[in-house]
Amino acid sequence: SQQGEEDPQALSIQEGENATMNCSYKTSINNLQWYRQNSGRGLVHLILIRSNEREKHSGRLRVTLDTSKKSSSLLITASRAADTASYFCATDDGDYKLSFGAGTTVTVRA
Amino acid sequence: DGGITQSPKYLFRKEGQNVTLSCEQNLNHDAMYWYRQDPGQGLRLIYYSQIVNDFQKGDIAEGYSVSREKKESFPLTVTSAQKNPTAFYLCASASVEGWATEAFFGQGTRLTVV
Repeated sequence: SQQGEEDPQALSIQEGENATMNCSYKTSINNLQWYRQNSGRGLVHLILIRSNEREKHSGRLRVTLDTSKKSSSLLITASRAADTASYFCATDDGDYKLSFGAGTTVTVRA
Repeated sequence: DGGITQSPKYLFRKEGQNVTLSCEQNLNHDAMYWYRQDPGQGLRLIYYSQIVNDFQKGDIAEGYSVSREKKESFPLTVTSAQKNPTAFYLCASASVEGWATEAFFGQGTRLTVV
């Protein structure tokens, strides 16, 4: 089974709205990362949050991490059509094993 | 340009044949990874390697094999023992300096069994 599980599986929003997706994981982690994948392409790294951090920002992205609940959230503010993609969380167990969840597919409507 | 290159982009295999997918990186990364992605699903880890001449099985290694003879290269062989090989295969590399493992991905190889 996969380490990370995203919720919801799919999300459809209007341009300008915020998009929030969640990730839950099972075992202890060194860090948690979020990636974006455009259809049929490779993944692109968005943001990394270490296990001793609770919140991190990068541009329109805000990531939170709650290690007691083994969960993380990714917020994309003021969404744009170009944000349409699948988003994956990935956990690093500290031994360089990088495990991905099933992803959230985000559609931003113009 | 620094990056990670997968080839070919599309690959067709007859049943019972072995095929090898290429992955090369010039980022001087120690760690390399192979993932499988099925339609509408997430990435599942096949094999990963932290250093030359060493690699570990991921979650779905059966029917696959790898080698890591050079730092730059991590080829994946899909053997005839893999019963359902049609999928999108992604290779990634990462630096192992420090304790953060941000991965850089290739553009993928789409394998189809005909």
